[in-house]
Amino acid sequence: NAGVTQTPKFRVLKTGQSMTLLCAQDMNHEYMYWYRQDPGMGLRLIHYSVGEGTTAKGEVPDGYNVSRLKKQNFLLGLESAAPSQTSVYFCASTDKQGAREQYFGPGTRLTVT
Amino acid sequence: DQQVKQNSPSLSVQEGRISILNCDYTNSMFDYFLWYKKYPAEGPTFLISISSIKDKNEDGRFTVFLNKSAKHLSLHIVPSQPGDSAVYFCAASAIGAGNNRKLIWGLGTSLAVNP
Repeated sequence: NAGVTQTPKFRVLKTGQSMTLLCAQDMNHEYMYWYRQDPGMGLRLIHYSVGEGTTAKGEVPDGYNVSRLKKQNFLLGLESAAPSQTSVYFCASTDKQGAREQYFGPGTRLTVT
Repeated sequence: DQQVKQNSPSLSVQEGRISILNCDYTNSMFDYFLWYKKYPAEGPTFLISISSIKDKNEDGRFTVFLNKSAKHLSLHIVPSQPGDSAVYFCAASAIGAGNNRKLIWGLGTSLAVNP
């Protein structure tokens, strides 16, 4: 099993550009999450999904959109990137029991200039 | 307002000695606590957890202690090894809206184990 994978690993965007981060998991997990990690801020939840076709806002959702069209995939979109969105983005998943042990991807380092 | 606090940003210990990482929380609704370990350029990996109905959970060199009255938990690593050098995150979980759980994370403690 590959676990949780994220694409791409690195990206540099100019302000105003758009992009989509892809998260894929092969563990048949119901719950998926997108976090961002910034220095001195820990992990902050952007959006999450409790199952295919569902999404919900987390702690810092502004400027991001998500979609969960397939159970194994969770996409994070930035429609108009801003320098404040420079961060490391982590995707995670867990089973139907909820947010106990979450399994994380390796992260995407995004820089917005 | 930080609901999960790791007040020590960094900790340095000698190989073979005990590492003690601390975590405090404010929300009495938290009923499950986890420790994650993170190496640079990798995602966090689950290390050990404890339910609020217990006060201790042990897994090999790692032990987590929970003091509910003090709203405090700690992770003990004995003996510490250089490969334990990483950032350790404390996280807490409670049932929320829609019967869903979310994790609330501390800011992390960077542990350096010196040979």
